[in-house]
Amino acid sequence: QVQLQESGPGLVKPSETLSLSCTVSGYSISSGSYWGWIRQPPGKGLEWIGNIYHSGDTYYSPSLKSRVTISVDTSKNQFSLKLRSVTAADAAVYYCARVSHPVIVTAPFDYWGQGTLVTVSS
Amino acid sequence: QSVLTQPPSVSAAPGQKVTISCSGSNSNIGNNYVSWYQQLPGTAPKLLIYENNKRPSGIPDRFSGSKSGTSATLGITGLQTGDEADYYCGTWDSSMRGGVFGGGTKLTVL
Repeated sequence: QVQLQESGPGLVKPSETLSLSCTVSGYSISSGSYWGWIRQPPGKGLEWIGNIYHSGDTYYSPSLKSRVTISVDTSKNQFSLKLRSVTAADAAVYYCARVSHPVIVTAPFDYWGQGTLVTVSS
Repeated sequence: QSVLTQPPSVSAAPGQKVTISCSGSNSNIGNNYVSWYQQLPGTAPKLLIYENNKRPSGIPDRFSGSKSGTSATLGITGLQTGDEADYYCGTWDSSMRGGVFGGGTKLTVL
């Protein structure tokens, strides 16, 4: 069974960098599939942040592209998110997820982490 | 403002049928598969429908999906109180080269 678990600080100061990791179990990232980050502000809808392949191929949301970096560490079976210069608008539950197709980035997410709440406050 | 447009809420009685619409454009729904997610309160989204009308293993056939042009529809029959959740449509946008979601629809089973 594929499982994903987000980890990282739950509180980030304004203007600093939000850093989260997603540890995958039950499936090797190197085997294929894109891996993604999605966020959900409290009481609001889902927002796609970006996807990464084990080779490092990445796709980012145009609205966040200037501040986001997604990376992968196949040796740890993890992928990570960095969001720079955060503001209160970046406060959200952050989910990591697996794209369901082994090579097609446009496929939907079939496995999701439980999500981690990130608050932005000084 | 979401790229895909969904009604904020829908409601129906137990046992009845409900449909949820999702409207987009040629760059997203018009040229890509649509998926639907169910998000129960306090939980992560769950894939309900993929490739417009296919159900992952374990999803009951009470849930169905369809697509026509730049719009898609999720249908739920035999409504149960356990179906109360937020439902999101999602797809890829070829112009943006990224994933997009609808704003979500809250289903209330009266």
